[in-house]
Amino acid sequence: GAVVSQHPSRVICKSGTSVKIECRSLDFQATTMFWYRQFPKKSLMLMATSNEGSKATYEQGVEKDKFLINHASLTLSTLTVTSAHPEDSSFYICSAKVLNTEAFFGQGTRLTVV
Amino acid sequence: GQQLNQSPQSMFIQEGEDVSMNCTSSSIFNTWLWYKQEPGEGPVLLIALYKAGELTSNGRLTAQFGITRKDSFLNISASIPSDVGIYFCAGRSGGTSYGKLTFGQGTILTVHP
Repeated sequence: GAVVSQHPSRVICKSGTSVKIECRSLDFQATTMFWYRQFPKKSLMLMATSNEGSKATYEQGVEKDKFLINHASLTLSTLTVTSAHPEDSSFYICSAKVLNTEAFFGQGTRLTVV
Repeated sequence: GQQLNQSPQSMFIQEGEDVSMNCTSSSIFNTWLWYKQEPGEGPVLLIALYKAGELTSNGRLTAQFGITRKDSFLNISASIPSDVGIYFCAGRSGGTSYGKLTFGQGTILTVHP
């Protein structure tokens, strides 16, 4: 199957700093990428949907200015957590898809804010 | 918003036993998907269902799309230790694969050798 890679897989940052997470589709061009957040032993909560070259569509309750999403190319989307705080600590997962296929998920990024 | 109720929340079974889990919704979905997630990893698609009544198998896994479009189940036969993980159902109400997914709460499966 298609491969979606996230980087980094784990990151620890200090409170108040920003951290960027990359999501790459390695062997296909993704028309759409999704960003999810997952708390321990909980479900995946969709944060935003991003299409290449256009602004991301955020889900209700997700702060656009805090979770910046950029989808600059058909193989790369980034999520930047700005001014991170301990409550932003979570498992962030991206998925990528092309038309008429189901999305493939990345391996996730564990963010810990200290 | 749409919600999926997945049950059971967790299961502890012996190797060789069969497993059944299900998802129900108050609204209609046009697609049901079943994923498995292992610790520290992203979900992996197991089975996709696109038509009401559809019954699909993938090895020891079988899933069905309920006739009412409001439910789906996943069965695992003759479980083995590597079946351990969290199983999620996901539904989509859009008419194409463009729409966003709503995930169930997950079923944590533990298999004792």
